[in-house]
Amino acid sequence: KNEVEQSPQNLTAQEGEFITINCSYSVGISALHWLQQHPGGGIVSLFMLSSGKKKHGRLIATINIQEKHSSLHITASHPRDSAVYICAVRWTADKLIFGTGTRLQVFP
Amino acid sequence: GAGVSQSPSNKVTEKGKDVELRCDPISGHTALYWYRQSLGQGLEFLIYFQGNSAPDKSGLPSDRFSAERTGGSVSTLTIQRTQQEDSAVYLCASSLSSQETQYFGPGTRLLVL
Repeated sequence: KNEVEQSPQNLTAQEGEFITINCSYSVGISALHWLQQHPGGGIVSLFMLSSGKKKHGRLIATINIQEKHSSLHITASHPRDSAVYICAVRWTADKLIFGTGTRLQVFP
Repeated sequence: GAGVSQSPSNKVTEKGKDVELRCDPISGHTALYWYRQSLGQGLEFLIYFQGNSAPDKSGLPSDRFSAERTGGSVSTLTIQRTQQEDSAVYLCASSLSSQETQYFGPGTRLLVL
């Protein structure tokens, strides 16, 4: 069993839909990251959070430390949101453990 | 520079040769990370530098892999006697400190024939 599990693995949506991607982890962590990897391969860090909720534009990330669970929400999705979304947890010695990613495609 | 840069962007080499990959972090960033992403696979942590020291080398897949960072800035990842399974995209990231957001470079795509 992977220490970091994401669901769903693949997600398709129509433009404008509300999207949720989930991440569950089994180890104690100091922080959790949400990353976005574009089709060209570039990776952008979206959020780093250790408690509560963060919002940036149409993106919202939440984490529940007790339940070892985080969600990434995208409101009013757009085709340019199409990417792979990766959850990563910061474990010991500042090592990141990555989920396998969620491939999102948003159609116009 | 404005962001993390890596060179070369692509590298094709023959099995058994040594390769050296370079990462230029964002100026002032003390933390530097190397990751690997094999085709169709997720990201894998390789090594982390805080300043010039590497407190955690546990992610390096074998003793053919080594990394160094001099002057608290540029880092090189060296793979000796490359194998076909080393083919992957090698990504570097840096952050102000280990507690801060990481900024990723564009990666070096390595192909071992």
